[in-house]
Amino acid sequence: GNSVTQMEGPVTLSEEAFLTINCTYTATGYPSLFWYVQYPGEGLQLLLKATKADDKGSNKGFEATYRKETTSFHLEKGSVQVSDSAVYFCALRGGSQGNLIFGKGTKLSVKP
Amino acid sequence: KAGVTQTPRYLIKTRGQQVTLSCSPISGHRSVSWYQQTPGQGLQFLFEYFSETQRNKGNFPGRFSGRQFSNSRSEMNVSTLELGDSALYLCASYPRAAGSYNEQFFGPGTRLTVL
Repeated sequence: GNSVTQMEGPVTLSEEAFLTINCTYTATGYPSLFWYVQYPGEGLQLLLKATKADDKGSNKGFEATYRKETTSFHLEKGSVQVSDSAVYFCALRGGSQGNLIFGKGTKLSVKP
Repeated sequence: KAGVTQTPRYLIKTRGQQVTLSCSPISGHRSVSWYQQTPGQGLQFLFEYFSETQRNKGNFPGRFSGRQFSNSRSEMNVSTLELGDSALYLCASYPRAAGSYNEQFFGPGTRLTVL
């Protein structure tokens, strides 16, 4: 079945450091891929998405490219801020199903 | 536009009891999905509803059930609560039918603690 694997956290970075959170997936067909962010005490917010191979999703300085050849959707940001501290989830939605399949989440802490 | 509303936000129950959680989707959204979030299992899909019909169901025991009303509001029920049901239950709404490429908007969740 479909699944998502993302790097285990926690990840601790200094402000203005470069961020990469790895995400790979297993799926039949052509899934849509997403990154969600969860701030403490809140629900999930969609950060960015890509619906077909080679699409690049971007938002708030974050980027991720849908790589079908490597089945990956790695999240990157060139310069993180303290306000980026949160838990990040990679997810896919495939076929005719509307439900999302999530990775385990990666907790990011950014120190000033 | 108001976001997804979930009530109650926090709930404490004891083993063996049952509980009902409520989700009000964004106005105009007709699809609702429910997810369970725990530290051990992460985010797991429970059910999906569209136009009052369950369209998809995750791998949970029959103690977990749900429904959707004509105004798209949804409830989920857990009967005979177990300690392992302690979790954050998240509801997501989206505009159209399941399977379409709609962004899912999540509510803040209901934190259920089973003692």
